[in-house]
Amino acid sequence: DGGITQSPKYLFRKEGQNVTLSCEQNLNHDAMYWYRQDPGQGLRLIYYSQIVNDFQKGDIAEGYSVSREKKESFPLTVTSAQKNPTAFYLCASSRHLETQYFGPGTRLLVL
Amino acid sequence: KNEVEQSPQNLTAQEGEFITINCSYSVGISALHWLQQHPGGGIVSLFMLSSGKKKHGRLIATINIQEKHSSLHITASHPRDSAVYICAVEASGSRLTFGEGTQLTVNP
Repeated sequence: DGGITQSPKYLFRKEGQNVTLSCEQNLNHDAMYWYRQDPGQGLRLIYYSQIVNDFQKGDIAEGYSVSREKKESFPLTVTSAQKNPTAFYLCASSRHLETQYFGPGTRLLVL
Repeated sequence: KNEVEQSPQNLTAQEGEFITINCSYSVGISALHWLQQHPGGGIVSLFMLSSGKKKHGRLIATINIQEKHSSLHITASHPRDSAVYICAVEASGSRLTFGEGTQLTVNP
């Protein structure tokens, strides 16, 4: 089945630790996105990539990093510089100018 | 003021009622999206539209580009329609700007 997967479903981070969230798609989509969702707020764009080996900062990129070495994969690293990482993280992918398909999300909690 | 405003924030209805959720935006857009988010967090795209009206089953989405306004209607609502409904606009490239969502609860 074609789709977009995220892992893990829940992730715990200790203070000062970097953690990486996985996002994989087998839809052959060129574009991939990372969003953060906080209670009472709309989704906010962290990073996006429209093609392999290229990515751009979104509205809230500070404290995060990404890579796009393969078309299918767009991992997000939450670094220790992100002081308020507790949130629900959603990955999405799309063909150019078409609707975005969302993954099931990863909930990140700080211990 | 947010670029995308949804109303109401919360909506409770009885099964069978006709439901309307509104979305207003302040920027020029190339497309508007309606999304559905279930309690587990997963998001499903319902509609992508740039003009007129689209219908899928009991769901209808309309957009008025001149008035910068869109509505999502649900006919014959059912408890399984309970979810958060999110409006998002696409202004440049494929970047989306999201509203805060409308929490819909349909009681049996």
